[in-house]
Amino acid sequence: SQKIEQNSEALNIQEGKTATLTCNYTNYSPAYLQWYRQDPGRGPVFLLLIRENEKEKRKERLKVTFDTTLKQSLFHITASQPADSATYLCALDSGGYQKVTFGTGTKLQVIP
Amino acid sequence: KAGVTQTPRYLIKTRGQQVTLSCSPISGHRSVSWYQQTPGQGLQFLFEYFSETQRNKGNFPGRFSGRQFSNSRSEMNVSTLELGDSALYLCASQKGLGTEAFFGQGTRLTVV
Repeated sequence: SQKIEQNSEALNIQEGKTATLTCNYTNYSPAYLQWYRQDPGRGPVFLLLIRENEKEKRKERLKVTFDTTLKQSLFHITASQPADSATYLCALDSGGYQKVTFGTGTKLQVIP
Repeated sequence: KAGVTQTPRYLIKTRGQQVTLSCSPISGHRSVSWYQQTPGQGLQFLFEYFSETQRNKGNFPGRFSGRQFSNSRSEMNVSTLELGDSALYLCASQKGLGTEAFFGQGTRLTVV
């Protein structure tokens, strides 16, 4: 069955460092991979989308890589700030009339 | 433009009752998806509607149902509520395939 795994339940890093979050998947051939941010009690907010034929995508302090051979995506936040503290979700989208599947998320805590 | 609107924000129901949740997507978005989020299971896909047709359905019992109206607004209904149905119910709208999903704030349902 399709499975998405995101690294660890929580990730604590020092302010100013680079946070790296991992998303691994099995039994899936996504056409797109998306990353979302979710704050407690609120709906997820879209951050970045990367297509299967793209290796890397950047947006301000965010960078996403997508390796379809390893079946893995890495999400980086450079120069992290306490305001970046949230849960980050990866989502796989086959691009067709299929459901978007979300990982369980990684809770990031940036310590001042 | 207005975002995705979900009503009500909070609900408390008694076991055995039924409940209807509402979602108004972003104007012009015809795809509406529903998710259940619980601390242990993360975001679980319920169903997706496009132009009043259910295109996809997740692995939930028949007590969970939904519909979409001609103006793209959607409702989901849960009958014979169980304690385990307590969760944050999220609605998301998309403009098209392989595009970002815009989520509402969610409806927090508590079954007592």
